[in-house]
Amino acid sequence: QQQVKQSPQSLIVQKGGISIINCAYENTAFDYFPWYQQFPGKGPALLIAIRPDVSEKKEGRFTISFNKSAKQFSLHIMDSQPGDSATYFCAARGSSASKIIFGSGTRLSIRP
Amino acid sequence: GAGVSQSPRYKVAKRGQDVALRCDPISGHVSLFWYQQALGQGPEFLTYFQNEAQLDKSGLPSDRFFAERPEGSVSTLKIQRTQQEDSAVYLCAIPSPTGELFFGEGSRLTVL
Repeated sequence: QQQVKQSPQSLIVQKGGISIINCAYENTAFDYFPWYQQFPGKGPALLIAIRPDVSEKKEGRFTISFNKSAKQFSLHIMDSQPGDSATYFCAARGSSASKIIFGSGTRLSIRP
Repeated sequence: GAGVSQSPRYKVAKRGQDVALRCDPISGHVSLFWYQQALGQGPEFLTYFQNEAQLDKSGLPSDRFFAERPEGSVSTLKIQRTQQEDSAVYLCAIPSPTGELFFGEGSRLTVL
């Protein structure tokens, strides 16, 4: 059972555009929702994270929007740059669990 | 990841061989996680240690997979009688005090 569903699988955005990646979860016990960025040959690196008591978190060009009632959250990358080209994973963790559960990933390509 | 060193970075094994993958976290980290990342997929939880105790091994896919951390620092993931479906990147991660996971660069296993 896939507990965190991510879409799209791949995304192409023009330089300067907005990249949007969506995730949905099922387990209402999840209380921490990070996004990870992964470049080829590297491990995933934490990009930004949110807890369900807020609806939005912004760090530079990266924003998480969180909809608790719909059990959905999304990553927005403003003014997308070629250096943002990577695979992005949404994830979730429950308060009583120690493990983080990942989505299947979105391969983002930013066209110059 | 600066906090976690993994070796070997690449391993090619013939089907049926045993392999051992090492994770060496910076000193003082109580918790340690292992994840498996198949090609084009998100990381999937394998097992979790707190010091030398293996508290959760629910993600280990079969009894051919074995992990240990005998002195509460270095951890080894051992795969016996490797199969082609074991081909993946094996990631080790350590949590920050607030629970964010920091990953190593992984060990890429290819089983021929």
